[in-house]
Order: sequence, then C-alpha cells, then structure tokens
Amino acid sequence: QKEVEQDPGPLSVPEGAIVSLNCTYSNSAFQYFMWYRQYSRKGPELLMYTYSSGNKEDGRFTAQVDKSSKYISLFIRDSQPSDSATYLCAMAPSGAGSYQLTFGKGTKLSVIP
Amino acid sequence: ETGVTQTPRHLVMGMTNKKSLKCEQHLGHNAMYWYKQSAKKPLELMFVYSLEERVENNSVPSRFSPECPNSSHLFLHLHTLQPEDSALYLCASSQGSEQPQFFGPGTRLTVL
Repeated sequence: QKEVEQDPGPLSVPEGAIVSLNCTYSNSAFQYFMWYRQYSRKGPELLMYTYSSGNKEDGRFTAQVDKSSKYISLFIRDSQPSDSATYLCAMAPSGAGSYQLTFGKGTKLSVIP
Repeated sequence: ETGVTQTPRHLVMGMTNKKSLKCEQHLGHNAMYWYKQSAKKPLELMFVYSLEERVENNSVPSRFSPECPNSSHLFLHLHTLQPEDSALYLCASSQGSEQPQFFGPGTRLTVL
C-alpha cells in the first residue's frame, strides 16, 4: 500500500462549482498536512498548512483533516478557470523525519468557463 | 528577488557533461531541500540541509552532489547523468522542521 493515495484525475468541473480533492494515507505518524497548487511548468505553491484534525479556511479554500480516518480534503468554493492546475497533498511526521514531506501524485483539475 | 529562485530554468546536457543547478532563497529560512519531480510520480526528496548541514540523503546516486555554502544558497552538481535523470528539479526552503516548505520554479533538465 502506498503511503499517500491521491486520485490523479483529471477532474473537470464547470466554473462556479464546488471542488473536492482528497488524499488518504496509511502512516499514523503523519501530523502535518499541506496542500500545494502547481501550474504547468511551475513549482508547487503552498495553499494550506494544517496541524490538527478539523477544518481550516482561507478565502475560497477549506482544508479538512480527519486523523482517525487518515483522510484529508481540500474544498474549493466558487471555482474559477484560474484554479485549473494540479493539486498536491503532502504530509510529514513530527520530530525525527519531519523534514521529509511525503507527497501524493497530484490531482489535475480543469475548471471550464 | 523574492521567495525561492532557481537557475537555470532549462538545461540540456549530454551524459558526459558536468553542470550545476543553483538555488537561492530570500525568505530568511534555515533549511533547504532538493526534490526530483518525474512524470506520473510523486515528488521525491533528494537532500535536506539544515543550518548548512546535510540531514537527509535519500539514497541518491553519487552522480548527484549537493553543496550548501550558506543558509541562502544551495547547489546540485551533476556529472555523468543518465537519460532517466531527465526531470524537473525543485528547490525548497523552510524555517526549520515541522514548517511548510516553499518551492522555487524548478529547473527542467533533459539528459541526452
């Protein structure tokens, strides 16, 4: 079983839709969770960083962490064509090994005008 | 310059060449990273430097040689690479461990 599973998509939605992106993981040591957005031919850009279970909101983006289910989500409200990109989840343990992020393969999202 | 910068942005090299990738961070961070991103694979961590000391080396072949002369600069020296080393090489930085990492734009490397 891979440490982090992420549906690669592609996922196509109409402009204005609510988008749900998800990752599951197997390592219960993961404590820190991140979502990155990567446009074509660019480096990943940090969108959200969370530590605890629960929700964190930033503008149109909401990150959700459920450690008991080993499941994290990113919701995008009122999606825009500019949100078209690949979304990467990443996670790390605390303490020793906390420098080492484990990434999902990424989900490619297209928002159609 | 802001954030994390990388040069060159594109590099084509033969298998017998020697080249270096450069990364500079303008965020005042104390940890720097090299990642490899290949098509349809997750980002792979190659090296981590914290306070200019290497703290992670993920079984990377010796044809990749990192150098961190200070907390703002990171190099990746390349020699006798293989075609399968063609990928996007990303540099990142963070303020210590257990903190988010911020990425540069990457160097697209093609090995002929």
